[in-house]
Amino acid sequence: SYELTQPPSVSVSPGQTARITCSGDALPKKYAYWYQQKSGQAPVLVIYEDSKRPSGIPERFSGSSSGTMATLTISGAQVEDEADYYCYSTDSSGNRGVFGGGTKLTVL
Amino acid sequence: EVQLVQPGAEVKKPGESLMISCKASGYSFTSYWIGWVRQMPGKGLEWMGIIYPGDSDTRYSPSFQGQVTISADKSISTAYLQWNSLKASDTAMYYCARLSGGNSPAPDYWGQGTLVTVSS
Repeated sequence: SYELTQPPSVSVSPGQTARITCSGDALPKKYAYWYQQKSGQAPVLVIYEDSKRPSGIPERFSGSSSGTMATLTISGAQVEDEADYYCYSTDSSGNRGVFGGGTKLTVL
Repeated sequence: EVQLVQPGAEVKKPGESLMISCKASGYSFTSYWIGWVRQMPGKGLEWMGIIYPGDSDTRYSPSFQGQVTISADKSISTAYLQWNSLKASDTAMYYCARLSGGNSPAPDYWGQGTLVTVSS
């Protein structure tokens, strides 16, 4: 079955740049999406179609994709950005959605 | 404003049946896919399946095929997730989410989740 692979954890100091990666064989042909989930809350979309930012999402959140890897970048990470981050995409057929395993971002 | 409203919690015993709901508002319910996502305690998000309320086209992730049933009632803009015989391992948070339009739909709006607890 299709899988998306993320690092389990990333840690940065406030103001530093955090980068979270997501690898998958179908990513050269399929968009990546990124979700932020804070403790006890529902996920929130922060990046769609590889690099687009929904309204209301701070400009410090950006996304990119190259080959089989998509990357979520948080430039100047804030303490309030501490959360679990999940990438999402579909398999090559486009019929089945899949989430990455999630990355816990620590900002301290 | 797009909203997806789910009941907060359900408590059931093993072997019992359950149907949880997801009531949509603020958009054309029949024009967007709705998906269900499981999150077991302390774990990540798992894609369960989707339904297109316009024609009831339903697709399941292989891990959930035969384990749950996804349905929708377009007359009341509500999607459902159903179990016939719950197990303790079904204890989890279940989210519904609207999928965005276009060629590569993905969850864009989420409900607040229903916590399902299965315990004797």
